[in-house]
Amino acid sequence: GQQLNQSPQSMFIQEGEDVSMNCTSSSIFNTWLWYKQDPGEGPVLLIALYKAGELTSNGRLTAQFGITRKDSFLNISASIPSDVGIYFCAGQWSNTGKLIFGQGTTLQVKP
Amino acid sequence: GAGVSQSPRYKVAKRGQDVALRCDPISGHVSLFWYQQALGQGPEFLTYFQNEAQLDKSGLPSDRFFAERPEGSVSTLKIQRTQQEDSAVYLCASSPQGSTIQETQYFGPGTRLLVL
Repeated sequence: GQQLNQSPQSMFIQEGEDVSMNCTSSSIFNTWLWYKQDPGEGPVLLIALYKAGELTSNGRLTAQFGITRKDSFLNISASIPSDVGIYFCAGQWSNTGKLIFGQGTTLQVKP
Repeated sequence: GAGVSQSPRYKVAKRGQDVALRCDPISGHVSLFWYQQALGQGPEFLTYFQNEAQLDKSGLPSDRFFAERPEGSVSTLKIQRTQQEDSAVYLCASSPQGSTIQETQYFGPGTRLLVL
């Protein structure tokens, strides 16, 4: 099935470091979303982006909706151990609610 | 708990067996989605309901997969004659309105299906 191209696939960082991950697509989306998934749980929404160029923050998280509407990035500042998990980007079109997910970025934080 | 619940949480099936996976959405939520998540991959869309109407089933991989939501609340995903490639986590999500754009989808914990 169609998926977004998300990178990096995994990251292993020191506590306190900043993290950046991004997502690209050959298709244009009207909405970009970033989710976090913990083991044995479903994805939880972190940030939603609705306009091209939009930059949105949620605590230590910042995400941007690319101008071309084909890409997005997520930054996490001053990482902490509870940031560990798998982060997914997802795109959504305007006339359907279904989400198209990236392959995920696995984040590990060393205390 | 007011979240999306799914049962069973784990299911082991022999190849060829039929299985039924249940989703209880958040009370009052109009929209309900099913996704399939293979190991190490992101979720992939299967099907979408608005109340009891199945408006999009474009993601169902074969005619062995069938979903229903007869009363517009609880939904069941049925897989007939399971194959090993059906092994995955099946996620259910719901959102409040029928207009699904710019609405948060709330995910359940998933059912992990293993077909032997």
